[in-house]
Amino acid sequence: KAGVTQTPRYLIKTRGQQVTLSCSPISGHRSVSWYQQTPGQGLQFLFEYFSETQRNKGNFPGRFSGRQFSNSRSEMNVSTLELGDSALYLCASSPADRPQETQYFGPGTRLLVL
Amino acid sequence: EDQVTQSPEALRLQEGESSSLNCSYTVSGLRGLFWYRQDPGKGPEFLFTLYSAGEEKEKERLKATLTKKESFLHITAPKPEDSATYLCAVQPLQGQDMRFGAGTRLTVKP
Repeated sequence: KAGVTQTPRYLIKTRGQQVTLSCSPISGHRSVSWYQQTPGQGLQFLFEYFSETQRNKGNFPGRFSGRQFSNSRSEMNVSTLELGDSALYLCASSPADRPQETQYFGPGTRLLVL
Repeated sequence: EDQVTQSPEALRLQEGESSSLNCSYTVSGLRGLFWYRQDPGKGPEFLFTLYSAGEEKEKERLKATLTKKESFLHITAPKPEDSATYLCAVQPLQGQDMRFGAGTRLTVKP
């Protein structure tokens, strides 16, 4: 099975711009979660989507949003970028048939905000 | 509040020198505890899932164990290619999100 794929892999934006990141989960996986990873804060949960519905949300401002399509692919959007949004954004998928299913991560999108 | 603490922050070993990494957690209830390995610039790679105290899992030179308050990742006779950051995460009974520890950065010298 192909793993989780994320596009683009690298992105440079300037403050105030907005960005959209894409994630394709492992075939058959219906849950997609997004995380932000920075050297100072580590891995922090953004949100989780299951069957096109946001099932859980972390403690991030409303500038961070996401959606999931009927084929389980997911996108996350960050509006009005700030310097502190520079990070590795990771997507993880799981079958989600049971709440404790293991999540499998993609390679991430590295975002640099100038 | 749910919390995950990993120690040590960094560990340097000689090739063949066995050691253990610790993950202490505080959650109201545990659905599962996960270990991941992360290489620089890459996404975390799944290693183990543990669900209940007393459970143990092994993979090559790695062995993960779980108690009611902590988990250990034992590395036996490590090789340089085991160098990576090892992340521990817990999934609480309440809510769906996983809480990650800060990780242990392991360096194995030849």
